[in-house]
Amino acid sequence: DAGVTQSPTHLIKTRGQQVTLRCSPKSGHDTVSWYQQALGQGPQFIFQYYEEEERQRGNFPDRFSGHQFPNYSSELNVNALLLGDSALYLCASSFWPQGAPDTQYFGPGTRLTVL
Amino acid sequence: GENVEQHPSTLSVQEGDSAVIKCTYSDSASNYFPWYKQELGKGPQLIIDIRSNVGEKKDQRIAVTLNKTAKHFSLHITETQPEDSAVYFCAARARFLSGGSYIPTFGRGTSLIVHP
Repeated sequence: DAGVTQSPTHLIKTRGQQVTLRCSPKSGHDTVSWYQQALGQGPQFIFQYYEEEERQRGNFPDRFSGHQFPNYSSELNVNALLLGDSALYLCASSFWPQGAPDTQYFGPGTRLTVL
Repeated sequence: GENVEQHPSTLSVQEGDSAVIKCTYSDSASNYFPWYKQELGKGPQLIIDIRSNVGEKKDQRIAVTLNKTAKHFSLHITETQPEDSAVYFCAARARFLSGGSYIPTFGRGTSLIVHP
């Protein structure tokens, strides 16, 4: 049973560029959440996708956008990159909860460096 | 919104000792408290979780306690081993006001170093 996978593992971009990160959820999961983890910090929630729609969003600007595909995989897009966008981007998958809190499983992350 | 404080930021112990990491949370609506272990270059891995209707949960050398009245919860690792060295994150989760899924708020992490 494959866990959460993310690609690429590392990425280097320059300021002003755009980037797309990809995530495949754990088998049987239908919900994907994206997090940004700066060095020495805990993960910060960006947004969550379920049924191909953004369901919830954290405190991130519109430069951060996403998409979920019919097979539940997801993309995170960041436009007009800033130096401060350098971080580890984590994808977490879960099963849309039926009342009780769901358990999220994280992927290995994509390390984005903006120069 | 939820605010999670985690202490200490760094914890250094000798192999075989116990380690305790403490977290406090602010939102009384939070009802799910997972703990994650993150090794260098990897994503966080869920190691144990506790729900608000339980005061303590144990899994081999790892235990978590929850005090809802005081709004704090702790991770206890006994008989520590060098492979326990990693960054540990606590999190508290409550349902967004608009409904939907539970989104965790993470602490800032504790770097645990176990010396052989």
